[in-house]
Amino acid sequence: GNSVTQMEGPVTLSEEAFLTINCTYTATGYPSLFWYVQYPGEGLQLLLKATKADDKGSNKGFEATYRKETTSFHLEKGSVQVSDSAVYFCALTTTGANSKLTFGKGITLSVRP
Amino acid sequence: DADVTQTPRNRITKTGKRIMLECSQTKGHDRMYWYRQDPGLGLRLIYYSFDVKDINKGEISDGYSVSRQAQAKFSLSLESAIPNQTALYFCATASSYNEQFFGPGTRLTVL
Repeated sequence: GNSVTQMEGPVTLSEEAFLTINCTYTATGYPSLFWYVQYPGEGLQLLLKATKADDKGSNKGFEATYRKETTSFHLEKGSVQVSDSAVYFCALTTTGANSKLTFGKGITLSVRP
Repeated sequence: DADVTQTPRNRITKTGKRIMLECSQTKGHDRMYWYRQDPGLGLRLIYYSFDVKDINKGEISDGYSVSRQAQAKFSLSLESAIPNQTALYFCATASSYNEQFFGPGTRLTVL
């Protein structure tokens, strides 16, 4: 079956620090990969996605590259802001899954001024 | 106006009570989902529906039921609420292109 593993949290960084959040996956078939973000008190929003190997998804300064050889989709940002404080979820779906998403457990990021 | 709305946003109830959570969407999507979120567990799928006549169980459907009243409406019911159903519940919709759109969530507390 499908599964997503995220690094343990929470993560606390100072403003302008570099961010990496690790995500690895196990999937049957050819997955599409996603990062969702949940700001305090809100639902999840799609942050970025990649649908095939070596694709790079990017949005709001965040990037993630679909690495088939390491089954990874790590999220990075060069300079975080206080407004990036949120919970981040890695997720995947596969061709036969009819849009059903498999989520990682999520990681809480707090950015200090 | 929000594309995916959920009512109520917060609910406190007692063990044994019947509870209904409602979800409406204006995105015109056929696919709708109900998830629960628990700290440290991420989101887990309860039920999903691909059209009005299609209802499917997710990974944690026990103790829950759903109704797809129309393309735009998908309700989740707890027939007899219990304390371990205390959680944050999310409704989501999707087109055939895999991206899901989430509602703001309903925080349910069962005493």
